[in-house]
Amino acid sequence: DQQVKQNSPSLSVQEGRISILNCDYTNSMFDYFLWYKKYPAEGPTFLISISSIKDKNEDGRFTVFLNKSAKHLSLHIVPSQPGDSAVYFCAASGRGSQGNLIFGKGTKLSVKP
Amino acid sequence: DAGITQSPRHKVTETGTPVTLRCHQTENHRYMYWYRQDPGHGLRLIHYSYGVKDTDKGEVSDGYSVSRSKTEDFLLTLESATSSQTSVYFCATRDVLGVRDQPQHFGDGTRLSIL
Repeated sequence: DQQVKQNSPSLSVQEGRISILNCDYTNSMFDYFLWYKKYPAEGPTFLISISSIKDKNEDGRFTVFLNKSAKHLSLHIVPSQPGDSAVYFCAASGRGSQGNLIFGKGTKLSVKP
Repeated sequence: DAGITQSPRHKVTETGTPVTLRCHQTENHRYMYWYRQDPGHGLRLIHYSYGVKDTDKGEVSDGYSVSRSKTEDFLLTLESATSSQTSVYFCATRDVLGVRDQPQHFGDGTRLSIL
């Protein structure tokens, strides 16, 4: 049973517009959430994270929102750039898990010039 | 990223042969992890280590073993490779810094094909 779900396999956005990537989770023990970006033939690169004590974290063009009651988080990229085209993975870890991450299946973002 | 080197980067081998993948880090991070990535799946944890000689199983550990004899190296071994172990393998490390919430940082992966 998938504990972290990214229900959109792909997303296409025009350059300069907002990209919104969504992630849902089922395990109420998760308390730390991360987004990774992955280019082909490279390893995932850490993008941004959020602890469950917060509902928003911002880093430049990237903002992550956490809605604990809905068990939902989203990544906003504003403005989107062609270099943002990549696969984005949502991941979560919980108390007592030694920092082990559970990943979603990923969303492929395409930003068109 | 975080001084992580995986070797080899690519390998093709035959069913039934032993295979060892190496992960080397230069950041002195305490935690190290091995994941596999397959089409239709996210990254899935195989094994992890929380210190020298301290390892534990992840979600998909069957058919794999690991060893960590020194902080900088974490080895993943397939004792007798099967075609279902064809995958891209990623190593990751994580620092502790006195707080639990630290991100993992990944190497660039090893593409393993078992014929």
